[in-house]
Amino acid sequence: EAQVTQNPRYLITVTGKKLTVTCSQNMNHEYMSWYRQDPGLGLRQIYYSMNVEVTDKGDVPEGYKVSRKEKRNFPLILESPSPNQTSLYFCASRPSGGLSGELFFGEGSRLTVL
Amino acid sequence: GENVEQHPSTLSVQEGDSAVIKCTYSDSASNYFPWYKQELGKGPQLIIDIRSNVGEKKDQRIAVTLNKTAKHFSLHITETQPEDSAVYFCAASYPGDQFYFGTGTSLTVIP
Repeated sequence: EAQVTQNPRYLITVTGKKLTVTCSQNMNHEYMSWYRQDPGLGLRQIYYSMNVEVTDKGDVPEGYKVSRKEKRNFPLILESPSPNQTSLYFCASRPSGGLSGELFFGEGSRLTVL
Repeated sequence: GENVEQHPSTLSVQEGDSAVIKCTYSDSASNYFPWYKQELGKGPQLIIDIRSNVGEKKDQRIAVTLNKTAKHFSLHITETQPEDSAVYFCAASYPGDQFYFGTGTSLTVIP
């Protein structure tokens, strides 16, 4: 089944404790991205990657890091989480080029930073 | 960067009525406008999209219209059903694969 898988789905952590949210897709997509969803603010892009070893900042990259060492994986790293990073996070992927612009989203990871 | 505004933020309709959600965008270079539906506890899923060389697109009960001159696009759902209840997001994208999303509309269809 074609899917984007995120882990963990739920996480409660404390300020300053490094954490990684993993994202993996099995559709051989070149493009992957991370969003955060907050009430009243919609989906805001954190980072995106057009292909392996190519990453770019989105609109809200502060406090986050990403890496793209393999095509299928795009982990989101919070080196020193703070309470304002409490949010619902989504990973998404799509093929580059072609006519279809459809983004395929994961099920989301709800993060709480105390 | 692009700025996408979406209205209304909440919408309640009676089952069988129509629902309309409107979005505006700021960057005339945007050329792709998808609509996503997000059900509770799930990730957004594409329901319909339109490109800038097309004015209207329809898929059964769902239609999207685009006015490039005015820089706005709308989602129309006819004969609404309870399973249409969800949060809907519009988005605008331009070359470079940056997607900019609206703030979402929570649609409730009352049986």
